[in-house]
Amino acid sequence: ETGVTQTPRHLVMGMTNKKSLKCEQHLGHNAMYWYKQSAKKPLELMFVYSLEERVENNSVPSRFSPECPNSSHLFLHLHTLQPEDSALYLCASSLEEGLFSGNTIYFGEGSWLTVV
Amino acid sequence: QKEVEQNSGPLSVPEGAIASLNCTYSDRGSQSFFWYRQYSGKSPELIMFIYSNGDKEDGRFTAQLNKASQYVSLLIRDSQPSDSATYLCAVNTGRRALTFGSGTRLQVQP
Repeated sequence: ETGVTQTPRHLVMGMTNKKSLKCEQHLGHNAMYWYKQSAKKPLELMFVYSLEERVENNSVPSRFSPECPNSSHLFLHLHTLQPEDSALYLCASSLEEGLFSGNTIYFGEGSWLTVV
Repeated sequence: QKEVEQNSGPLSVPEGAIASLNCTYSDRGSQSFFWYRQYSGKSPELIMFIYSNGDKEDGRFTAQLNKASQYVSLLIRDSQPSDSATYLCAVNTGRRALTFGSGTRLQVQP
């Protein structure tokens, strides 16, 4: 069983829909992240949360809205998305935000999002 | 200039050969360096990290770091078909999260 669990694994939504991605980590980590992975592009950092506080928003459009109710759970609320938002959305966690020797990021399996 | 650069590949090597994957980075203040392996349709998984100049070995994998040249590499000895995947180089540039390269696709031919 992976330490970082994401649901749903696959999601197809229309441009007018509202949906949410969920992430749960069982590692006792204090930092959680959302990354976006599009074909042939580097992983793009979207948001960073540390102890439930958003510490970085990497110029992400407002149609993506994160929520971190506690240090184990992270959500990404989606509304009025565009087809170009179709991608793999990866949740990750690390012991602390900010990465120093040995403080590594562990990824969930990802949520494949298709916007039609 | 991209912050972390990798050749997209595919890099094709025969089974049993050494695969050499390379990565360059632009921020001289970068502190630690990570290699992730990502199978098609799966999430990245950590293989190794390195933060001191020189070589670090773990089984069939060796990470090499040269901070003066801003270069990090991953060598895979005795390559197996199961090593076929995309290898992501990631760098800790002192920001809040890792910066990733686009990845190099490795194909190991049986």
